[in-house]
Amino acid sequence: GENVEQHPSTLSVQEGDSAVIKCTYSDSASNYFPWYKQELGKRPQLIIDIRSNVGEKKDQRIAVTLNKTAKHFSLHITETQPEDSAVYFCAASGTEDSSYKLIFGSGTRLLVRP
Amino acid sequence: SQTIHQWPATLVQPVGSPLSLECTVEGTSNPNLYWYRQAAGRGLQLLFYSVGIGQISSEVPQNLSASRPQDRQFILSSKKLLLSDSGFYLCAWSVGALGNQPQHFGDGTRLSIL
Repeated sequence: GENVEQHPSTLSVQEGDSAVIKCTYSDSASNYFPWYKQELGKRPQLIIDIRSNVGEKKDQRIAVTLNKTAKHFSLHITETQPEDSAVYFCAASGTEDSSYKLIFGSGTRLLVRP
Repeated sequence: SQTIHQWPATLVQPVGSPLSLECTVEGTSNPNLYWYRQAAGRGLQLLFYSVGIGQISSEVPQNLSASRPQDRQFILSSKKLLLSDSGFYLCAWSVGALGNQPQHFGDGTRLSIL
């Protein structure tokens, strides 16, 4: 089955700097890759997603890139702000059946220092 | 628009007591439904998923069970809780039968076992 590894586990950046979080997946048939942001004690919220037919997607300060050959995808946050501080999870779709299960990475705790 | 409701928000239960957590989705039909557990400071572990009424798939062996008595209702149960059942329980939904779609999470139930 699918396995997703996420790095780093913690990331501390200065306000205004960029942050990059990387994930690798094992199932070459996976074709959907969402990213979630989870603030302390809250539910995970979808911030951006990408499908395997594109290599990059941007939404304001957030971008995601996908390299299908290498089976890795990354989240890029530019001009970071203190409110970007949270735990970020990547995920990849399971393609074994019609459930479209998501397999999540272990999370990255991002701290943006003012 | 679609909404997802989970209750209760917090729950404190003694070891060996039963459990029933409920999740309902509004504004959509035949959704895929999911139960996740998140231990403190950890990632998301998929427990159960359902692609239709009465159809439940279990991801990990445990003393929990799930049921889907109605199209938009998903229930997580246990006959006898263990200390290890403590955690943050999240229900999620996605559009069914349309390929990979984003999963949207409820606000979660924080379960403490004493």
